[in-house]
Amino acid sequence: GAGVSQSPSNKVTEKGKDVELRCDPISGHTALYWYRQSLGQGLEFLIYFQGNSAPDKSGLPSDRFSAERTGGSVSTLTIQRTQQEDSAVYLCASSLGVGELFFGEGSRLTVL
Amino acid sequence: AQSVTQPDIHITVSEGASLELRCNYSYGATPYLFWYVQSPGQGLQLLLKYFSGDTLVQGIKGFEAEFKRSQSSFNLRKPSVHWSDAAEYFCAVGGMDSSYKLIFGSGTRLLVRP
Repeated sequence: GAGVSQSPSNKVTEKGKDVELRCDPISGHTALYWYRQSLGQGLEFLIYFQGNSAPDKSGLPSDRFSAERTGGSVSTLTIQRTQQEDSAVYLCASSLGVGELFFGEGSRLTVL
Repeated sequence: AQSVTQPDIHITVSEGASLELRCNYSYGATPYLFWYVQSPGQGLQLLLKYFSGDTLVQGIKGFEAEFKRSQSSFNLRKPSVHWSDAAEYFCAVGGMDSSYKLIFGSGTRLLVRP
């Protein structure tokens, strides 16, 4: 596609429910990142996929968070048993490994 | 450990005045450094990047940044700020030692007085 596509753009869920956020990176980009941006906060690194290497999961805040990348392309970030503190904008970005990250518009998650 | 510090949460400047946004990084090897801008309601856009070579790098929209290894800094500058520069600015660091994973600072929000 022309850019990084994320869905849904907005998600409202109830505390305790599971949510899935999807990222479709730019075709051919080997690196894919998930970041979280809470209100008034910076970009918190969550997870990083680079080619066929094992993902760097060092930023995932708890074991309720997981992500996978299928076929080196589309990625899904899953949050289980959502909590109110999970409310944030989840940003996906892709790149050709070194250099400019191209960001999606983000998925805004609100946990009631 | 890989980290970025942006010590100024907010900065206010008058239109036409000069600007400097501070960024300090921690990285064990040669860093790759970036500045991104996030305008209200928009996504993040790359302003400039440093990989190697000339330590003064030019970016888009009239911005420049200088890499100072001795100070572990990569400050962003602009000689004359325009009202449209009001946005949030993020510094980021990565490199070969961390498989090019990018870590961002907490951001600096720039307000421009007319």
